[in-house]
Amino acid sequence: DAGITQSPRHKVTETGTPVTLRCHQTENHRYMYWYRQDPGHGLRLIHYSYGVKDTDKGEVSDGYSVSRSKTEDFLLTLESATSSQTSVYFCAISETGENSPLHFGNGTRLTVT
Amino acid sequence: KNQVEQSPQSLIILEGKNCTLQCNYTVSPFSNLRWYKQDTGRGPVSLTIMTFSENTKSNGRYTATLDADTKQSSLHITASQLSDSASYICVVRISSGSARQLTFGSGTQLTVLP
Repeated sequence: DAGITQSPRHKVTETGTPVTLRCHQTENHRYMYWYRQDPGHGLRLIHYSYGVKDTDKGEVSDGYSVSRSKTEDFLLTLESATSSQTSVYFCAISETGENSPLHFGNGTRLTVT
Repeated sequence: KNQVEQSPQSLIILEGKNCTLQCNYTVSPFSNLRWYKQDTGRGPVSLTIMTFSENTKSNGRYTATLDADTKQSSLHITASQLSDSASYICVVRISSGSARQLTFGSGTQLTVLP
């Protein structure tokens, strides 16, 4: 397995509270991504990073922010969690943005009550 | 709208049998097509990546085919094993230079029974 660690693996939080999910990699890959996976939908990109302090929005970025202060860490923050953000969140990494495969972490299951 | 449609949605087969999963896409302009395997409770794992010029690519008992003219791909699993039980996800990349341009299918859930 590629060296990707997501924390926490499970979290239950209340509506309106801030939540931060962490992704840590040991592969020194340039690209890092946050996806969410919901039943009936394919994985959807929230935000991605193409280098330290370089990030961009994905297709479902509303309500989420990210930060990447070090190559190895990519944080996803829900400023004020809503029930619609209940999902499984996956971090992924890749060496390049074009033809290299994505390597995924094992996900964080977030429940917003 | 760029879309990736997979069929069937779910499939049950007996151990040792072969099966084929289908992926149709409307993504354009096409860059590459990927197949991933996702075990329950785990992240997806890459099986193959095929570019426009590749028709077939194998990874052990997994063989992916690509017909870029009809925009169809298939994943053939030979001599299935219980460990093949998983969701298989087709992913297509747009040739746009942006790292965001991956479109994921919803997956085919394969169950292999003893």
